[in-house]
Amino acid sequence: DIQMTQSPSSLSASVGDRVTITCRASQSISSYLNWYQQKPGKAPNLLIYTASSLQSGVPSRFSGSGSGTDFTLTISSLQPEDFASYFCQQSYTNPTFGQGTKVEIK
Amino acid sequence: QLQLQESGPGLVKPSETLSLTCTVSGGSISSSSYYWGWIRQPPGKGLEWIGTIYYSGSTYDNPSLKSRVTISVDTSKNQLSLRLTSVTAADTAVYYCARLLTSSGWTFDYWGQGTLVTVSS
Repeated sequence: DIQMTQSPSSLSASVGDRVTITCRASQSISSYLNWYQQKPGKAPNLLIYTASSLQSGVPSRFSGSGSGTDFTLTISSLQPEDFASYFCQQSYTNPTFGQGTKVEIK
Repeated sequence: QLQLQESGPGLVKPSETLSLTCTVSGGSISSSSYYWGWIRQPPGKGLEWIGTIYYSGSTYDNPSLKSRVTISVDTSKNQLSLRLTSVTAADTAVYYCARLLTSSGWTFDYWGQGTLVTVSS
């Protein structure tokens, strides 16, 4: 299996901050990397697919970049509704997920 | 609007079989454009892919579950099902069904709300 490692595991930020979350794959996955947001008690919601494509309906403050083994999710200006957990997932082979990053209010 | 809804027992005894159904509405499970799958999330932990099925019946399972998994599809009812045998406390989790896009690898674009299954005697 391809292992996905996210960092940090949690972070504290304020409304309006720029937030960056990284995801590293244990081997090259080209651009087969997705990002999901999950709020407590809810199912994950697809934000970004193939590393940098914004899912329909997702605000443009979310962006993704990277290829190969290193990827980044950026929230350009954190909004109150963005406090949640974020997961990366590789879709190169059998799907595997990162352990998650919890974004909390500072 | 596509909707997925999981259903099944919320409590299963150790060594028994967990059985869940996912009903798809607002779209056809027989669409050639999509696959369908199951994912689980133990309380407070990360996500684990369980398996994937195509409407034709082709399946792909997570090898880590050591052949305990059976996924099936009933196109007449627009449903997919999950059976997990010989469960232990480690199988306690929220179980989600989801639709998979295949144009960009396996990407989960629609999810059910999830159902908590607790394994306990």
